[in-house]
Amino acid sequence: DVKVTQSSRYLVKRTGEKVFLECVQDMDHENMFWYRQDPGLGLRLIYFSYDVKMKEKGDIPEGYSVSREKKERFSLILESASTNQTSMYLCASSLSGSSFYEQYFGPGTRLTVT
Amino acid sequence: LAKTTQPISMDSYEGQEVNITCSHNNIATNDYITWYQQFPSQGPRFIIQGYKTKVTNEVASLFIPADRKSSTLSLPRVSLSDTAVYYCLVAPRGTGFQKLVFGTGTRLLVSP
Repeated sequence: DVKVTQSSRYLVKRTGEKVFLECVQDMDHENMFWYRQDPGLGLRLIYFSYDVKMKEKGDIPEGYSVSREKKERFSLILESASTNQTSMYLCASSLSGSSFYEQYFGPGTRLTVT
Repeated sequence: LAKTTQPISMDSYEGQEVNITCSHNNIATNDYITWYQQFPSQGPRFIIQGYKTKVTNEVASLFIPADRKSSTLSLPRVSLSDTAVYYCLVAPRGTGFQKLVFGTGTRLLVSP
């Protein structure tokens, strides 16, 4: 069974803090994704990685960075958290090719920035 | 990316077949259609994917007409546990996926 785990279910941070969200998958998937989900806006792609140390910007990368030093781990970094980054953050992974959109999601991290 | 339109919500009863239609008039040649299910406080779960005609798995069927401008997710004999939000995603496997947006989905409520 594919497992994608995220470091925290709930997180509360102050404006200006540096925030790290960690994601780990155990299925040797090449691709990993970070999304945020907001009411009325659906899920939007922040960043995508198709290999170790490789990354591509998604639809809304501003204010975020990512790190992928190992195949199984993909980190999302908020360099200086702001209140408009309060959201549900979802990590996903998938194989390449025909399974690219067969993405497996983690449980999400609900981040509140005060 | 192709813009998708789904009903905001649908109601059904246990044991009925539910069909959720997604419109995607500007679908591109290399776009695939993928459906996900999401329960409250969980990440989305992949249900089914197709390119054209019909695809069936143990959970659902996906019907895609020849013009591919719409697709229908069919859930046979729903149960209470099928109450969830269902997302239709139309996107290419190659370039262009960076603008990936799942949309707001269809909220299905199954009643006894």
